[in-house]
Amino acid sequence: KAGVTQTPRYLIKTRGQQVTLSCSPISGHRSVSWYQQTPGQGLQFLFEYFSETQRNKGNFPGRFSGRQFSNSRSEMNVSTLELGDSALYLCASSELDQTGELFFGEGSRLTVL
Amino acid sequence: AQSVTQLGSHVSVSEGALVLLRCNYSSSVPPYLFWYVQYPNQGLQLLLKYTTGATLVKGINGFEAEFKKSETSFHLTKPSAHMSDAAEYFCAVSEGGSNYKLTFGKGTLLTVNP
Repeated sequence: KAGVTQTPRYLIKTRGQQVTLSCSPISGHRSVSWYQQTPGQGLQFLFEYFSETQRNKGNFPGRFSGRQFSNSRSEMNVSTLELGDSALYLCASSELDQTGELFFGEGSRLTVL
Repeated sequence: AQSVTQLGSHVSVSEGALVLLRCNYSSSVPPYLFWYVQYPNQGLQLLLKYTTGATLVKGINGFEAEFKKSETSFHLTKPSAHMSDAAEYFCAVSEGGSNYKLTFGKGTLLTVNP
């Protein structure tokens, strides 16, 4: 099976712009989660989607949003970018095995100038 | 609420030496515990996980971890370090069930010296 695929891998934006990141989960995985990784804060949970519904949300401002499509692919959007949004954004999928094990993509590295 | 504490943000060992990365957790329910590894510019790869049953868990690349409920610990070990083990390691906890959220520790950067 192909792994979790995230696009784009790298991108540079300027303050005030918005960005959309894409994630294709492992085939058959219906749960998709997003995490933000920064040197200062580490790995922080953004949100989790299952069957096109957001089931869990982390403590991030409303500028961070996401959605999931019927084929389980997911996108996350960050509007009005700030310098502090520079991070590695990781997508993970799960096959709902009750343990919470996540399979991660390689991430999208966002730099905000 | 769950939390994970990784003792030591940076651990340095010599090639061939024992690797010990420490992890303590807090959870209100019996936890599921994970160790992930991250190489530069890559995502996280699962090393091993504890669910139920045997408390000594063996993972990939010769790593293992022991779940100690009385100490709320899940330390990661490898008898003999290899240069290729140099990476960042993350301990994580999950409540399981329908809550598909992992709480991660801050990570431990492992350096292996020749």
